[in-house]
Amino acid sequence: DAGVIQSPRHEVTEMGQEVTLRCKPISGHNSLFWYRQTMMRGLELLIYFNNNVPIDDSGMPEDRFSAKMPNASFSTLKIQPSEPRDSAVYFCASTGTGSSYEQYFGPGTRLTVT
Amino acid sequence: QKEVEQNSGPLSVPEGAIASLNCTYSDRGSQSFFWYRQYSGKSPELIMSIYSNGDKEDGRFTAQLNKASQYVSLLIRDSQPSDSATYLCAVRSGAGSYQLTFGKGTKLSVIP
Repeated sequence: DAGVIQSPRHEVTEMGQEVTLRCKPISGHNSLFWYRQTMMRGLELLIYFNNNVPIDDSGMPEDRFSAKMPNASFSTLKIQPSEPRDSAVYFCASTGTGSSYEQYFGPGTRLTVT
Repeated sequence: QKEVEQNSGPLSVPEGAIASLNCTYSDRGSQSFFWYRQYSGKSPELIMSIYSNGDKEDGRFTAQLNKASQYVSLLIRDSQPSDSATYLCAVRSGAGSYQLTFGKGTKLSVIP
């Protein structure tokens, strides 16, 4: 079975540009999470969806960040406009129904904003 | 503020020794506990989950949970150089929440 799929794997963009990160969760999983990882702050939860509905977006740093999940197999995280301080690795993770609550991570997108 | 604390390391152990990684958490109502391994430049990989007090063994890995002390640990027996990575502790709080809070990780180095 395919794991969580993310694209692109690497993104280099200039300050002020719009960035869109994409995620396909594991088939059958109903919860999806977007994380950001930096050396200074570690792994931070940005937002999570349950059954395509945003449940908690308190981790989204500011209005420049937005996330959508139009269907069970696709989600986007958009940054507009991007800033150098947004440079980080962005991970998507998913978890299924049931009581295990185990999250499985995608390979991540390394974002560099110059 | 829910917190998960780990010693950042690095923790260095000789090959073949037991590596002991520790984690404490602040939310007494926490329900589920996970250990992830993250190699440099890679994504976190789930290696152990534990839900009740006591020990849980899987191959060379043993997770230990003590809810009264709000403490969870990971033991790696017969450590190998391939175990060198950062180990992240993650905690899920109350019933119905899918959200995990991660520690900042402990970097383990296994010396050949």
